Amino acid sequence: KAGVTQTPRYLIKTRGQQVTLSCSPISGHRSVSWYQQTPGQGLQFLFEYFSETQRNKGNFPGRFSGRQFSNSRSEMNVSTLELGDSALYLCASFGGVNTGELFFGEGSRLTVL
Amino acid sequence: QQQVKQSPQSLIVQKGGIPIINCAYENTAFDYFPWYQQFPGKGPALLIAIRPDVSEKKEGRFTISFNKSAKQFSLHIMDSQPGDSATYFCAASSYDKVIFGPGTSLSVIP
Repeated sequence: KAGVTQTPRYLIKTRGQQVTLSCSPISGHRSVSWYQQTPGQGLQFLFEYFSETQRNKGNFPGRFSGRQFSNSRSEMNVSTLELGDSALYLCASFGGVNTGELFFGEGSRLTVL
Repeated sequence: QQQVKQSPQSLIVQKGGIPIINCAYENTAFDYFPWYQQFPGKGPALLIAIRPDVSEKKEGRFTISFNKSAKQFSLHIMDSQPGDSATYFCAASSYDKVIFGPGTSLSVIP
């Protein structure tokens, strides 16, 4: 079974631009969560989608948005990029019994210049 | 009440030592407590997990100890190896959310 796939793996943007990141969950998994990881800040929860509906949302500004498609693939978008948005963005899928049993992708490393 | 506290922030042990990472939670609605291991350049991977009706769970060299009354749980790594050097995250989950601790950076020196 293929794991969680995130694209692109690395990208560089400049302030003010926008970026779209993609996540393909494990086949059969209907829940996709997004996390921002920065040094010293751990894993910050962005949002979770289940069957195309946003089920939970973290404490991030409206510049961060996401969506999920009918095939469970998900995208997140960050508009008007700021230097502080430089981070590793991780996607995790869930399809089992225990909510805490997440399968993470390798992440998309975003650098904002 | 949704926070999960984790300590220490970083830990250095010699090969063969037993690093211990501690976590504490407040919300009694949490019913699943996983630990994740993350190597540089990789996403976190589920390492071991425990439910609150069990006081200890062991998988290979990794052991979780759980104290329900104190709302604390810890990860012990027996006979630690340099390959165990990674960042470890504890987490607590209920039916609709997962809360992660801030992480512990472990270095095992030969």
